[in-house]
Amino acid sequence: AQSVSQHNHHVILSEAASLELGCNYSYGGTVNLFWYVQYPGQHLQLLLKYFSGDPLVKGIKGFEAEFIKSKFSFNLRKPSVQWSDTAEYFCAVNAVGGYNKLIFGAGTRLAVHP
Amino acid sequence: ETGVTQTPRHLVMGMTNKKSLKCEQHLGHNAMYWYKQSAKKPLELMFVYNFKEQTENNSVPSRFSPECPNSSHLFLHLHTLQPEDSALYLCASSQDGTSGGYNEQFFGPGTRLTVL
Repeated sequence: AQSVSQHNHHVILSEAASLELGCNYSYGGTVNLFWYVQYPGQHLQLLLKYFSGDPLVKGIKGFEAEFIKSKFSFNLRKPSVQWSDTAEYFCAVNAVGGYNKLIFGAGTRLAVHP
Repeated sequence: ETGVTQTPRHLVMGMTNKKSLKCEQHLGHNAMYWYKQSAKKPLELMFVYNFKEQTENNSVPSRFSPECPNSSHLFLHLHTLQPEDSALYLCASSQDGTSGGYNEQFFGPGTRLTVL
């Protein structure tokens, strides 16, 4: 069965610090990969996605993620966080050919202090 | 505004009550989804509907009963729930989910359910 693991449940950073959130998945086939963000009181929004091609993908608000196939990882990064990045971040996997089924990780709650 | 709305936003119910959650999408999609979001756990896919037909039931207890009268509306009927069913219930929609390719899902704001 497919699963997604996010290594940190809570991360606390100061503004301008660099961010890296870990995500690993278990699935032997080809996957599509996603990071979603949920700001306080708001709906889940797509931050970025990887389908194929360049394993380094750039998303909105200065976020990027790198797909490392050999490590089954899709870590999210941002060089310099802002207070407005305070949110919960979810990694998700879709097995290619698995129609529209998304498997989510448990989420990482990020708090950025001014 | 995501184009996916959910009502009510908050619901408190007793274990013997019957209530319904409503989801409506204004995006012209034809696939709709129910997810359960519990604290510190991954979002769990509950049900999937494509073209009004249920195509996935992820071993959900029968006290949760979905209904999809048309491609724009999705309901989740609740009956004799347990306190452990308290969670945020999210609805999502997408284009056709049966073609084999992936179509982006758009999420609603959720209904925060508390079962006493």
